[in-house]
Amino acid sequence: DTEVTQTPKHLVMGMTNKKSLKCEQHMGHRAMYWYKQKAKKPPELMFVYSYEKLSINESVPSRFSPECPNSSLLNLHLHALQPEDSALYLCASSQGGLRTDTQYFGPGTRLTVL
Amino acid sequence: TQLLEQSPQFLSIQEGENLTVYCNSSSVFSSLQWYRQEPGEGPVLLVTVVTGGEVKKLKRLTFQFGDARKDSSLHITAAQPGDTGLYLCAGARSGNQFYFGTGTSLTVIP
Repeated sequence: DTEVTQTPKHLVMGMTNKKSLKCEQHMGHRAMYWYKQKAKKPPELMFVYSYEKLSINESVPSRFSPECPNSSLLNLHLHALQPEDSALYLCASSQGGLRTDTQYFGPGTRLTVL
Repeated sequence: TQLLEQSPQFLSIQEGENLTVYCNSSSVFSSLQWYRQEPGEGPVLLVTVVTGGEVKKLKRLTFQFGDARKDSSLHITAAQPGDTGLYLCAGARSGNQFYFGTGTSLTVIP
């Protein structure tokens, strides 16, 4: 099983709202990632968690707040977003630390900020 | 600065034609992945190549990893409309570091 699940599939929020994106994997992977993607562009890395600890934060604005409650779950908390934050948000996981590591992606959450 | 450059950026071809997408870098990667992505969906893994010079085939798709592990190519034979999508290469380095290519948007016209 190489499935990564993400909820919700679609999210529309106002600039004053607080919402959360959720990601789950049951492959025993120890690295989990959040990416932001605009149409027809490659994904842009936001955060990396390794063994449930934040290891990479690509200078993401504080209105995005990641959380890794356990090795299977990854959340992205959203607050006071801007319309330019509208994008496809992708979660991925990988075994972590392997020379031949491979990322597996979820289906994404389409976020629209009004 | 993008570590991995893909070419071409856009490609529109007729059904039945062959095509090659290139993924080039001046950096060495421990492995390289190819993904296909449809609009509004997550990237779907097609293949991982690990060894320099490695060639892998997946039905009508042929993937090659360069001898020096700096570049890769994806060749599609007899393209079909179902091959339409955004093709992404991604190189892996140590420490959970993955670097995406610039992407190739393919349209196959019936």
